[in-house]
Amino acid sequence: TQLLEQSPQFLSIQEGENLTVYCNSSSVFSSLQWYRQEPGEGPVLLVTVVTGGEVKKLKRLTFQFGDARKDSSLHITAAQPGDTGLYLCAGVGSWGKLQFGAGTQVVVTP
Amino acid sequence: GAGVSQTPSNKVTEKGKYVELRCDPISGHTALYWYRQSLGQGPEFLIYFQGTGAADDSGLPNDRFFAVRPEGSVSTLKIQRTERGDSAVYLCASSLTGTSSGNTIYFGEGSWLTVV
Repeated sequence: TQLLEQSPQFLSIQEGENLTVYCNSSSVFSSLQWYRQEPGEGPVLLVTVVTGGEVKKLKRLTFQFGDARKDSSLHITAAQPGDTGLYLCAGVGSWGKLQFGAGTQVVVTP
Repeated sequence: GAGVSQTPSNKVTEKGKYVELRCDPISGHTALYWYRQSLGQGPEFLIYFQGTGAADDSGLPNDRFFAVRPEGSVSTLKIQRTERGDSAVYLCASSLTGTSSGNTIYFGEGSWLTVV
């Protein structure tokens, strides 16, 4: 059972377009992480957000953590084919134990 | 090696057989985690080791699943009497310390298990 809900499940866009994916939970997490996973590989950490209302930028990626620390979003500006992948959000619990959402599959076509 | 190494990368086994999946974490990492990822889902937590001890095994689905880490480095996930529903990618991850913040967790490429 995934306690974190991600939407949409699938997103297909053209190169150069913007996109936003969402991560919502009924639970409060001390911190939340976003990962990207490509086929045949494990998830790779993109960012950790800790403070309610926090905004972090990683090149063309912008991450927001909700004020109540229960929701988060990832916005990609001017998407490129290299952004294609499964984007996963994960709430961080005790001992670094992660509770993942089901993921959003993003496909960026040239 | 530089990253988390998992073997085998692929395993096909018959229903009812026993399988072992191996994880070699990043050198010096005391925390080790096993996750299971089914098709179309995010990874689900199975077990967490701090050193040699299993600090949290609450995610193991039943007593057919068992994991060890006898010397605090390499870990083996063992599945007895495999069932078709065990088919999934088994991911191993490690981190320097098992703390909830400021700690990057590194995943291996996974072991894809298919039970036929």
